[in-house]
Amino acid sequence: NAGVTQTPKFQVLKTGQSMTLQCAQDMNHNSMYWYRQDPGMGLRLIYYSASEGTTDKGEVPNGYNVSRLNKREFSLRLESAAPSQTSVYFCASSVGAGGAPTDTQYFGPGTRLTVL
Amino acid sequence: QQQVKQSPQSLIVQKGGIPIINCAYENTAFDYFPWYQQFPGKGPALLIAIRPDVSEKKEGRFTISFNKSAKQFSLHIMDSQPGDSATYFCAASKGGGGSNYKLTFGKGTLLTVNP
Repeated sequence: NAGVTQTPKFQVLKTGQSMTLQCAQDMNHNSMYWYRQDPGMGLRLIYYSASEGTTDKGEVPNGYNVSRLNKREFSLRLESAAPSQTSVYFCASSVGAGGAPTDTQYFGPGTRLTVL
Repeated sequence: QQQVKQSPQSLIVQKGGIPIINCAYENTAFDYFPWYQQFPGKGPALLIAIRPDVSEKKEGRFTISFNKSAKQFSLHIMDSQPGDSATYFCAASKGGGGSNYKLTFGKGTLLTVNP
């Protein structure tokens, strides 16, 4: 099993450009998450999908959109990138959807995004 | 509003030392407290976790101590090794089903264990 995979690994954008970060999991998990990690700020939840067909805003959703394409895939889109969106983006998944609160989140390797 | 406060921001110890990382939370509805470990260039991975019905949990060299009345929990690493050098995040979540299993993370502690 590959677990959680993310593409691309690195990306440089100019201000105003758009892009989509891709995430896929092969663990048959119901819930998926997008986080951003910035120095000294920890991991902040951008959006999550508790189950296929549902998405909800997290702590820092402004400037982002998401799509839960199917049970395996959850993409994050930046419509008009800004320098403040320079960050490392992590996708995660968990069993979710009625699972226990002790549900472990499994993280992907991350995408390093720089917006110039 | 920062719901999980973590300290210190960074920590340097010698091999064999016992680093201690502390976290405090505000929301009494939290009922699950995991710690995640992150190596440079990698995603975080679950290290150890505790529920509030116990005061201590040990897995190998890693121990969580939990103080429900003080709303605090801490990670102790016994006989620390250079390979333990990583960033450690505490987190908390609350039950209730469905989407309520979101994790709230602390800001992280960069641990360096010198040989």
